[in-house]
Amino acid sequence: AQKVTQAQTEISVVEKEDVTLDCVYETRDTTYYLFWYKQPPSGELVFLIRRNSFDEQNEISGRYSWNFQKSTSSFNFTITASQVVDSAVYFCAGFPKGGSEKLVFGKGTKLTVNP
Amino acid sequence: NAGVMQNPRHLVRRRGQEARLRCSPMKGHSHVYWYRQLPEEGLKFMVYLQKENIIDESGMPKERFSAEFPKEGPSILRIQQVVRGDSAAYFCASSPPQGTPNEQFFGPGTRLTVL
Repeated sequence: AQKVTQAQTEISVVEKEDVTLDCVYETRDTTYYLFWYKQPPSGELVFLIRRNSFDEQNEISGRYSWNFQKSTSSFNFTITASQVVDSAVYFCAGFPKGGSEKLVFGKGTKLTVNP
Repeated sequence: NAGVMQNPRHLVRRRGQEARLRCSPMKGHSHVYWYRQLPEEGLKFMVYLQKENIIDESGMPKERFSAEFPKEGPSILRIQQVVRGDSAAYFCASSPPQGTPNEQFFGPGTRLTVL
């Protein structure tokens, strides 16, 4: 069984601050896939990134960056120079290689960026 | 290329009635997943379907819930004799035919309220 832990329930920052959202994915599987999704106040789920467990290279996309460390099972997400539009609930999720690829989600981190 | 479509967006039912939630996957996608999001919680997997087949229904409640994905038309999640505890947001996601694990793209969700 897999377990996704997002220890931060809520985070509040002021605009332009950097913020890191933590995620720990526990599994006995050696190969797995990790994802981040954004849920803005409007309620839809927006795909942000997919990461394979055998690829520990960090990834950057604009103000977003992701750091994956297999040794600690962590897949952290950093927003640089946060903006009010970044306010949302962010979910980390994953599934092991093989099987039905059903996503196991963390409980989410609610990020509020204040002007 | 239209995204995943769900209707209705909001559904109100009285206890004991039936709820039918519809999901049209993205063009070219043949895999459909249903997830449920209870208030203040993350998403929980319910069922995974391919055309005319249920692949994994390990997250479906044993009674009152059923799902189908016919050869023609949308996927349907059916809840019979709804109870207040069924009030939640129900999300559908789709992905292309598998070969390499793909990200799942989510619809806007159906928010079910049971009075």
